[in-house]
Amino acid sequence: GAVVSQHPSRVICKSGTSVKIECRSLDFQATTMFWYRQFPKQSLMLMATSNEGSKATYEQGVEKDKFLINHASLTLSTLTVTSAHPEDSSFYICSAPDRRANYGYTFGSGTRLTVV
Amino acid sequence: GENVEQHPSTLSVQEGDSAVIKCTYSDSASNYFPWYKQELGKGPQLIIDIRSNVGEKKDQRIAVTLNKTAKHFSLHITETQPEDSAVYFCAASIAGNMLTFGGGTRLMVKP
Repeated sequence: GAVVSQHPSRVICKSGTSVKIECRSLDFQATTMFWYRQFPKQSLMLMATSNEGSKATYEQGVEKDKFLINHASLTLSTLTVTSAHPEDSSFYICSAPDRRANYGYTFGSGTRLTVV
Repeated sequence: GENVEQHPSTLSVQEGDSAVIKCTYSDSASNYFPWYKQELGKGPQLIIDIRSNVGEKKDQRIAVTLNKTAKHFSLHITETQPEDSAVYFCAASIAGNMLTFGGGTRLMVKP
């Protein structure tokens, strides 16, 4: 089946630094990638939608200058958390729809970000 | 936009009993309804899904029902086992577009 590889799985960084999270579709072309954030004991909330070759669309309340999304190829989408603060600590998950699976969704394994 | 409500938020059952989780959605254009199981520290894993042209789907101990008129769908797990303990999320979407998730149900199966 379709696989989305997400790295890193865990990252601890200092306040003020930037962290890049990568999601790669290994066996299909991901023209769209959804980025979700999940705080402890809460549901997944959509942050932004990236489309290959165009600017990402951000959900209300999500700062586009803080969460930089790049989707430069059909197999790679990245989320960079810039100038991270402790309140950005969360579980970040990417997901891509797969046309071959009649638009079922494949999720990455998630990235646990801790900002200290 | 779409709004998905999920109940209950926690569910405790005895091993071997059945578990039922219910979700309602608001957008009548939604046509894809997956259910995910999420274990601690991991991404969601699809366990079953249903599309709007089907009323019921079953896969071994797991079944999902969909009532388009009432805009609700349910997950049924029979003969529950301790390894079924996890957080379960329902979701709704217009296929290919963003998923909107319910709030999650923490299922605990007691041996």
